[in-house]
Amino acid sequence: AQSVTQLDSHVSVSEGTPVLLRCNYSSSYSPSLFWYVQHPNKGLQLLLKYTSAATLVKGINGFEAEFKKSETSFHLTKPSAHMSDAAEYFCVVSGPNTGFQKLVFGTGTRLLVSP
Amino acid sequence: DVKVTQSSRYLVKRTGEKVFLECVQDMDHENMFWYRQDPGLGLRLIYFSYDVKMKEKGDIPEGYSVSREKKERFSLILESASTNQTSMYLCASSPLAGGVYEQYFGPGTRLTVT
Repeated sequence: AQSVTQLDSHVSVSEGTPVLLRCNYSSSYSPSLFWYVQHPNKGLQLLLKYTSAATLVKGINGFEAEFKKSETSFHLTKPSAHMSDAAEYFCVVSGPNTGFQKLVFGTGTRLLVSP
Repeated sequence: DVKVTQSSRYLVKRTGEKVFLECVQDMDHENMFWYRQDPGLGLRLIYFSYDVKMKEKGDIPEGYSVSREKKERFSLILESASTNQTSMYLCASSPLAGGVYEQYFGPGTRLTVT
């Protein structure tokens, strides 16, 4: 079965410093991978998705993620954190094992940004 | 823009009550989904539907049922609410798979069962 593991439940950064949110995936097949963000009291919004094209994927709000098959990782990064980035982030996988329509979510990483 | 709306943001119900959560999408999407979100557990799929009157169980269907009589509307039903169903419920929709499509989420309904 496909799954994702988010390695940190909480990450704290200062405004203006880099952000790294870690995600490892498990899949027998080439997966599709997503990062979603959830701001307080809001629904989930897609940040970016990987679908076996370019391994470096750029998303909204300056975020990007790199698919590394050898490390089974799909870490989310941003060069400089902004206060508005404080939210919960979910790494998500889908693919042949799940049915492409179905998404399997990680447990989430809460990003805290201090001034 | 895709819009997914949910009938209530907050709901308080008593144990044993029958509860209806409604979701409507305006983008003519074939697929619709119901998830529950709990701290430390992420989102877990309850049910999904790929067409009108069609449904499939997700990972945690026990205690829930669904109804999809119209393409744009997908209802989640708690036949007899229990306190362990206190949670955030999220509805989502996506186009029919033929590529890889993201899901579009509503704002969620926070349900408290007392």
